[in-house]
Amino acid sequence: DQQVKQNSPSLSVQEGRISILNCDYTNSMFDYFLWYKKYPAEGPTFLISISSIKDKNEDGRFTVFLNKSAKHLSLHIVPSQPGDSAVYFCAASRYNQGGKLIFGQGTELSVKP
Amino acid sequence: DTEVTQTPKHLVMGMTNKKSLKCEQHMGHRAMYWYKQKAKKPPELMFVYSYEKLSINESVPSRFSPECPNSSLLNLHLHALQPEDSALYLCASSQDGILGFGELFFGEGSRLTVL
Repeated sequence: DQQVKQNSPSLSVQEGRISILNCDYTNSMFDYFLWYKKYPAEGPTFLISISSIKDKNEDGRFTVFLNKSAKHLSLHIVPSQPGDSAVYFCAASRYNQGGKLIFGQGTELSVKP
Repeated sequence: DTEVTQTPKHLVMGMTNKKSLKCEQHMGHRAMYWYKQKAKKPPELMFVYSYEKLSINESVPSRFSPECPNSSLLNLHLHALQPEDSALYLCASSQDGILGFGELFFGEGSRLTVL
């Protein structure tokens, strides 16, 4: 039973355009969500997070949107750059299980010059 | 630069060997984690230490034995592993203990191959 799902295994975007990565979850008890970026042969790097009391969080070129009623979150990258090419994982957790992140399967983003 | 350091980066071992993976962080974080990641799969939690005490064991086989000598160090002792245990083993830390929220900071991982 996969509680966090990223249904698009890959996404290709032109440099300068918007990248939108999507994530769905099934467990309504999740109340904190994170996005991680991973290059090959490296550990995941934290990008941005959002708690369930918010519906949007912005950090530079990265914005995460949360739709609790739809159990859906998305990561927007604007403008996309070739260096953004990596695998992006969304993850979810519950307040009293802060480190027990449940990861989605990942989406491989390719930003073409 | 990652502030969670894992050694070794690569390890090849036979099924009868005993080896250890090591992890160190100097950020003053109070929780440390072991995650396992197989190819093309997401990371999966194995163990959590919060304030140097084992808080979560995700039903991991006893051939994996974690140890937290102090708040900065985390080891994973390996014994009698199987070829299917070959994976990337990721160490992570977070500022707070298991309670509350917290971003996890991951190391680069130790790539384990069991022959």
